[in-house]
Amino acid sequence: DTEVTQTPKHLVMGMTNKKSLKCEQHMGHRAMYWYKQKAKKPPELMFVYSYEKLSINESVPSRFSPECPNSSLLNLHLHALQPEDSALYLCASSQGRGGTQETQYFGPGTRLLVL
Amino acid sequence: QKEVEQNSGPLSVPEGAIASLNCTYSDRVSQSFFWYRQYSGKSPELIMSIYSNGDKEDGRFTAQLNKASQYVSLLIRDSQPSDSATYLCAVNIRTGANNLFFGTGTRLTVIP
Repeated sequence: DTEVTQTPKHLVMGMTNKKSLKCEQHMGHRAMYWYKQKAKKPPELMFVYSYEKLSINESVPSRFSPECPNSSLLNLHLHALQPEDSALYLCASSQGRGGTQETQYFGPGTRLLVL
Repeated sequence: QKEVEQNSGPLSVPEGAIASLNCTYSDRVSQSFFWYRQYSGKSPELIMSIYSNGDKEDGRFTAQLNKASQYVSLLIRDSQPSDSATYLCAVNIRTGANNLFFGTGTRLTVIP
């Protein structure tokens, strides 16, 4: 089973709202990722968690706040977003054993619209 | 300088033909190479991974890697309309870290 789940599938929020995106995997993976994908663009890495610790933050604005409560869950807390933050937010996971030959498996994504 | 480059297409091939998708990368220490398929509005789905020079075949798909030329390709034999999608080349560039860099993707249309 290579399933990564994400909720919600769609989210509409105002610029003053606070919302959270959730990601879950039960493959025993120890690395989890958040990507942002704009229309007709490739996914862009935002954050990487390795063994529940933040290992990469690609200079993402502080209005995006990741959280990894345990090895199966990854959250992305959103606050005071801008309309240009509207995008498909993808979660991915991989085994997390280190090295570069790991495959990342993507969830279905959350389509976010900021009004 | 872009780290992973793909021809954005669109690439159109007739049903039953071979579709050839190409990708070049700039970082010589790159170790791992992946092809993902992405249907419109959906998330990327892994098609192939390749780590060593040469060819790797899986069903109708063949990945080819040439590290000396910094080139990786994906061949799709007997193309089907269901293969119509955007194909993303991804490269793990930073050694010791699992950090994928994606190309801009090639949009493939298979014409019935």
